[in-house]
Amino acid sequence: GDSVTQMEGPVTLSEEAFLTINCTYTATGYPSLFWYVQYPGEGLQLLLKATKADDKGSNKGFEATYRKETTSFHLEKGSVQVSDSAVYFCALKNTGFQKLVFGTGTRLLVSP
Amino acid sequence: DGGITQSPKYLFRKEGQNVTLSCEQNLNHDAMYWYRQDPGQGLRLIYYSQIVNDFQKGDIAEGYSVSREKKESFPLTVTSAQKNPTAFYLCASSVGLAPGSGANVLTFGAGSRLTVL
Repeated sequence: GDSVTQMEGPVTLSEEAFLTINCTYTATGYPSLFWYVQYPGEGLQLLLKATKADDKGSNKGFEATYRKETTSFHLEKGSVQVSDSAVYFCALKNTGFQKLVFGTGTRLLVSP
Repeated sequence: DGGITQSPKYLFRKEGQNVTLSCEQNLNHDAMYWYRQDPGQGLRLIYYSQIVNDFQKGDIAEGYSVSREKKESFPLTVTSAQKNPTAFYLCASSVGLAPGSGANVLTFGAGSRLTVL
């Protein structure tokens, strides 16, 4: 079945460092890909998405490019802030049924 | 502002008790979902509903029940049959079945943390 694999955390960075969180997927067909973010004690919020190959999703300085050839959707940010500390979830949705398949999440810790 | 309200935020349950988690949305979304979140396991789908008076089991429905009597409401009951109910429960909604990007995006509530004593 469809699945998403994320790098294990925590990822620990200093403020203004470059961020990459790896995400790869396995799916039949042409899924849509998402990054959600969860701040402590809260629900998930959509960060960005891409619906077809070579699309780039971007929001709040974060970017991810849908790479069908490598089945990847890595999350990047050029300069992280302390306020970016959160858990980041990669997810996919295939055609048909509405179910989102989530990765296990990657915790990001940014220190001043 | 439109959104999803989950209550209570924290809930404690004794062994053998049923508890019900509330989820209300004012987004006029057709589809609603319940996810369970455990440390290191990501989110797992419990139940989902695509329309009023209809719902389907997700990946881990055993020990849970739901109802969808109103479009705005999708309560989850954690029954005594659920062997390990301590977890963080997240309710979500989406526009529905219409094709296109809008149907793919889920809006989440703030979650309810259930602890079994």
